[in-house]
Amino acid sequence: NAGVMQNPRHLVRRRGQEARLRCSPMKGHSHVYWYRQLPEEGLKFMVYLQKENIIDESGMPKERFSAEFPKEGPSILRIQQVVRGDSAAYFCASSPLTAGNEQFFGPGTRLTVL
Amino acid sequence: DAKTTQPPSMDCAEGRAANLPCNHSTISGNEYVYWYRQIHSQGPQYIIHGLKNNETNEMASLIITEDRKSSTLILPHATLRDTAVYYCIVGNNQGGKLIFGQGTELSVKP
Repeated sequence: NAGVMQNPRHLVRRRGQEARLRCSPMKGHSHVYWYRQLPEEGLKFMVYLQKENIIDESGMPKERFSAEFPKEGPSILRIQQVVRGDSAAYFCASSPLTAGNEQFFGPGTRLTVL
Repeated sequence: DAKTTQPPSMDCAEGRAANLPCNHSTISGNEYVYWYRQIHSQGPQYIIHGLKNNETNEMASLIITEDRKSSTLILPHATLRDTAVYYCIVGNNQGGKLIFGQGTELSVKP
């Protein structure tokens, strides 16, 4: 059973461009979480999604950031008009419907904004 | 804000037991204690969780005090590959966000 997959692993964007980060959860997992880790800082929750629904987006910045988890395909975290402060590691985690809070994390996408 | 308090760093000799403490004095009756770790630059890894009984799996043991206000994660025979930041997190078992604090940076030394 493959683990959580994220791509790309590294992404470089110039200020003002768009960044699209993809997350494929583990097989059978219908819950997806996105977290961000700024340089030298801790992990911060961003958004929690189930298939086609946003359950909790309390950690998402109000502007430029959006997330989706369609019925088919991976979850997407989209950052529009990136700024240097968006440079960070973005981690996706998944969990199965019946689990508690045991979340399985992907390797992360490291976004660098020039 | 995280609902747990952990020492910022600890050292442990290779082959010895590593005992990582965590205070969670405001834990509520239906909340579990979860432990995760993050090895440098990698995604966090689930280790173990418990409600009130002590728990053991292939990675570690979790000892929770009777009043549930604190717990200890035990790595019985630490190896160099156990060097990581260890996070103690309190939460329910119905899913939802994990609130990471600063964790304990464990350094296992030869």
